[in-house]
Amino acid sequence: AAGVIQSPRHLIKEKRETATLKCYPIPRHDTVYWYQQGPGQDPQFLISFYEKMQSDKGSIPDRFSAQQFSDYHSELNMSSLELGDSALYFCASSLVRGTGELFFGEGSRLTVL
Amino acid sequence: GENVEQHPSTLSVQEGDSAVIKCTYSDSASNYFPWYKQELGKRPQLIIDIRSNVGEKKDQRIAVTLNKTAKHFSLHITETQPEDSAVYFCAGGNQFYFGTGTSLTVIP
Repeated sequence: AAGVIQSPRHLIKEKRETATLKCYPIPRHDTVYWYQQGPGQDPQFLISFYEKMQSDKGSIPDRFSAQQFSDYHSELNMSSLELGDSALYFCASSLVRGTGELFFGEGSRLTVL
Repeated sequence: GENVEQHPSTLSVQEGDSAVIKCTYSDSASNYFPWYKQELGKRPQLIIDIRSNVGEKKDQRIAVTLNKTAKHFSLHITETQPEDSAVYFCAGGNQFYFGTGTSLTVIP
């Protein structure tokens, strides 16, 4: 069965650089979520999209932006990277917004040097 | 946003014993309560969930109970096995907010 696909799986950047993460949700899932998980931390909700429109915003820094495209894939853009941005970034999709199982991708590990 | 508190943060049990993890939430409008299991370096995966019109749900060795009046829900794992060792997260507020996680260790 198709799963949530994230790319790249690993990314190393220098401080002040820019990074873009991509997410391809499971077909027919209408909601995409982005989470940031630091070492030993719980996943922190960043932002979500419902039917290609931004629907909810969490603790996403102003340096980050995200969008969902017509083919339903989503991208998380991170600029002016800081050491503290080093984390595992998960994308998840769900069939039913808010009240259905979240299917997570394998995550993109960002390391900022 | 929703405030989800999870206890305990760490839990060690002997193999075969039971484990209980509890979450409390603040948003009385919440109506979906999932539990996710995350192994080291892996993605979170749903293990069980419950909706607000049900008080208890069981799936083999795993059960979840919900008390809407007290705004808490609990994960129960019986006959624990070493492969149950992982971090468990509850989620609330339409899944935007995860609890702080419980690191469960099952000692053989």
